[in-house]
Amino acid sequence: AQRVTQPEKLLSVFKGAPVELKCNYSYSGSPELFWYVQYSRQRLQLLLRHISRESIKGFTADLNKGETSFHLKKPFAQEEDSAMYYCALNPSNTGKLIFGQGTTLQVKP
Amino acid sequence: GAVVSQHPSRVICKSGTSVKIECRSLDFQATTMFWYRQFPKQSLMLMATSNEGSKATYEQGVEKDKFLINHASLTLSTLTVTSAHPEDSSFYICSAPRTGTDTQYFGPGTRLTVL
Repeated sequence: AQRVTQPEKLLSVFKGAPVELKCNYSYSGSPELFWYVQYSRQRLQLLLRHISRESIKGFTADLNKGETSFHLKKPFAQEEDSAMYYCALNPSNTGKLIFGQGTTLQVKP
Repeated sequence: GAVVSQHPSRVICKSGTSVKIECRSLDFQATTMFWYRQFPKQSLMLMATSNEGSKATYEQGVEKDKFLINHASLTLSTLTVTSAHPEDSSFYICSAPRTGTDTQYFGPGTRLTVL
């Protein structure tokens, strides 16, 4: 079965602390994975994708096929990072995204 | 960047009526668009894939006669919730990839409340 799991509904950290938002996936093929972010009162937007291996707003995510994970990390959280984060899988490059349940990141001052 | 709009942003209707939601790609063409629904405090669930010039494809468990999708042009897809009932109340979101890319651009969503 194709599935994306984000085990934490809420992650609360202080400003400057490291952040890791967990994402695990279930997919038999070669996965195409994304992190999307939704800031308060804004639409969902792409944060980063595993293919590009880039760092956006200080966030990185590494695909670990052995652990079937795609955790999102940032070494020093900022208050403006507070948002809802969704991990998503695009199976077979169809464009049909399978979303995880989402994790609310709360960065406290 | 690419922009996807949705109209209306929110709608309240009586049970039994039909509601049309529009999804437009404002500055790019999209041969395919996707419709999702999101229940409160839950994730987005894909409902259907809207294909320009052909029939939409629906995900398992989604009633195609209840959720009519029309993709009449390269910039517009519509979702019509027919004979709406309170259980159809939800947040409906569309997305569109710019043709030739895999980057999805999301609309702001439409909040449907059926009384």
